[in-house]
Amino acid sequence: EAQVTQNPRYLITVTGKKLTVTCSQNMNHEYMSWYRQDPGLGLRQIYYSMNVEVTDKGDVPEGYKVSRKEKRNFPLILESPSPNQTSLYFCASSDLGVPPYEQYFGPGTRLTVT
Amino acid sequence: KQEVTQIPAALSVPEGENLVLNCSFTDSAIYNLQWFRQDPGKGLTSLLLIQSSQREQTSGRLNASLDKSSGRSTLYIAASQPGDSATYLCAASEGGGAQKLVFGQGTRLTINP
Repeated sequence: EAQVTQNPRYLITVTGKKLTVTCSQNMNHEYMSWYRQDPGLGLRQIYYSMNVEVTDKGDVPEGYKVSRKEKRNFPLILESPSPNQTSLYFCASSDLGVPPYEQYFGPGTRLTVT
Repeated sequence: KQEVTQIPAALSVPEGENLVLNCSFTDSAIYNLQWFRQDPGKGLTSLLLIQSSQREQTSGRLNASLDKSSGRSTLYIAASQPGDSATYLCAASEGGGAQKLVFGQGTRLTINP
């Protein structure tokens, strides 16, 4: 089944404790992206990647890092999480070789930083 | 800067009614527009995608239209069912390398049996 998976689905952590949220897709998509969803602010793009070793900032990259060492994986790294990073996070992927580049989303990771 | 607005924020209708959800965007230079469904605590499910060169797309009881000149898209749901209850999000793609989706705040739809 074609899908985008994220782990963990739920995470409660404390301020400053480094964490990684994994994202993996099995559709051989070149493009992957991270969004966060907050009440009243909607979904906003954090980082995106157009292919292996190619990443760039979205609208709200502060406090986050990403890496793209393999085509299928795009982990989101919070090196020193803060309470304002409490949010619902979504990973998305798209096939850049096939217009109109429909984006497929993972199930989401609910992160709480205390 | 692209801004996407969805009105109303919430809508409640009786089962069986046909309904229209509205989405407006400020910059007509979009690459495509996607409609998503989000169930509480769940991820985003893609419903329909309309390319900038298209006027509408249909899938089952759903029909989405796009009018770039007026900066509007609508999602028409025919013969609504309680299972259609969810939040519906529209998102405009800016295209280019970022392929960034700019989302509206969503319309929370409730279908009453």
